[in-house]
Amino acid sequence: EIVLTQSPGTLSLSPGERATLSCRASQSVSISYLAWYQQKPGQPPRLLISGASTRATGIPDRFSGSGSGTDFTLTISRLEPEDFAVYYCQKYGSSVATFGQGTKVEIK
Amino acid sequence: QVQLVQSGAEVKKPGASVKVSCKASGYTFTGYYIHWVRQAPGQGLEWMGRVNPDSGGTIYAQKFQGRVTMTRDTSISTADMELSRLRSDDTAVYYCARGVSTWSEFYFDYWGQGTLVTVSS
Repeated sequence: EIVLTQSPGTLSLSPGERATLSCRASQSVSISYLAWYQQKPGQPPRLLISGASTRATGIPDRFSGSGSGTDFTLTISRLEPEDFAVYYCQKYGSSVATFGQGTKVEIK
Repeated sequence: QVQLVQSGAEVKKPGASVKVSCKASGYTFTGYYIHWVRQAPGQGLEWMGRVNPDSGGTIYAQKFQGRVTMTRDTSISTADMELSRLRSDDTAVYYCARGVSTWSEFYFDYWGQGTLVTVSS
C-alpha cells in the first residue's frame, strides 16, 4: 500500500509570504491521480488541484501544483488571510484512495 | 448546481449500527461514483470506500471490510453508508464526496456537509 507523507506538519507564515508544501509517496504515483485539497475548520475539504498541477474551477492562480514520481509540491505564491487552513494531498491507485496526514498553514 | 446533502448528526452506543445518507442533486446521479471519507476529531481524512450508483458495485477499504455497507437508491438519487459494530474510535465526521474517475484522472470535486457520528456509552 502506498503511503503519502506530508511535510512539514505545520507551517507558520505571514500573509504575503510564499508557502511550499510537500507530499512524498512511498512508491511512484501517476501524476494523473494526485490531488490537493484545502480544509478550513468546520468545513468539508475543497478541491484545489487535480492531476498534480491542474487548478480546479475557481481556484486562484496563486495556488500551483507540481511534481512527479514520488515527490509532489503545492505552492501558494503569496498567502492571503483566507489561505490559512489545512492542506491534504490524495492519491488513487488499485481502486483505493489515500490521503496524506495534512499540513497546517498557520499565521505566524 | 451540484449538491450533496447529508443526514443529521447521530449518537450511538458501542456495538450499534449507524446509517448516513447522502442526497445528490444538480447532476446525473448515475454518472459519478459516491465515495465516503471520515475524519476523527482533530485528525486527517480517511477513505472508507465507494459505491457505483449505476451498477451498485462497491469497493471498501480493507480496514472497514465486513463492517461497512454502501448502497444507493437511484429513484431518489441517494447513497447510504452503514457502519456496524460501532466502537468509540468510530466517532468522526463522515463525508460523502462525488468522485471523478477516468483513465486519466481521479479526484473528489464535490463534498457533502458532513455528518457527525458520536459513539458513546
